[in-house]
Amino acid sequence: AQSVAQPEDQVNVAEGNPLTVKCTYSVSGNPYLFWYVQYPNRGLQFLLKYITGDNLVKGSYGFEAEFNKSQTSFHLKKPSALVSDSALYFCAVIMNTGFQKLVFGTGTRLLVSP
Amino acid sequence: AAGVIQSPRHLIKEKRETATLKCYPIPRHDTVYWYQQGPGQDPQFLISFYEKMQSDKGSIPDRFSAQQFSDYHSELNMSSLELGDSALYFCASSLVFTGELFFGEGSRLTVL
Repeated sequence: AQSVAQPEDQVNVAEGNPLTVKCTYSVSGNPYLFWYVQYPNRGLQFLLKYITGDNLVKGSYGFEAEFNKSQTSFHLKKPSALVSDSALYFCAVIMNTGFQKLVFGTGTRLLVSP
Repeated sequence: AAGVIQSPRHLIKEKRETATLKCYPIPRHDTVYWYQQGPGQDPQFLISFYEKMQSDKGSIPDRFSAQQFSDYHSELNMSSLELGDSALYFCASSLVFTGELFFGEGSRLTVL
């Protein structure tokens, strides 16, 4: 079954430093991978997706993610963190059972300190 | 741009009562999804509809039912509410083959 794992419950980083939020996947076939962000008491917002093509995917708010097939990873990155990036980040994978649905990882809380 | 609209945003019910949540997808989107997110949990898929027909079913309790209407809005009906049903309920819509879901702001259900 398709699944994603986020090994870190929380990531702490100082403002201005690079950040990485980790995600590994387990899928059969070609993975369709996504990152979503959730601010407190808000819905999930799409950041970026990997379907095919370049392994480095650029998304919203300066985020990017690198698809690494050999390591089955899809880590989210940003060169310079902002305090406003503090939120809950979910990695997700499409379950292509004919009609697609997203299966989410357990989420990683990113805390950016001033 | 139009987004996914959910109502009500907040709902408080007593145990054993019934609740109905509504979702209005983005115009021209053909697929609607319902997710449940408990406190500190990741969103769990409940059910989805494609062109008004149920397309997939996840961990939705038998006490819950949902449907999509002719105008494409969807309703999630929850009966015999339990304390454990307290959660954020998200609706999302998409064009089925793009793989990108657009989420509403969620409906927070509190069961007392």
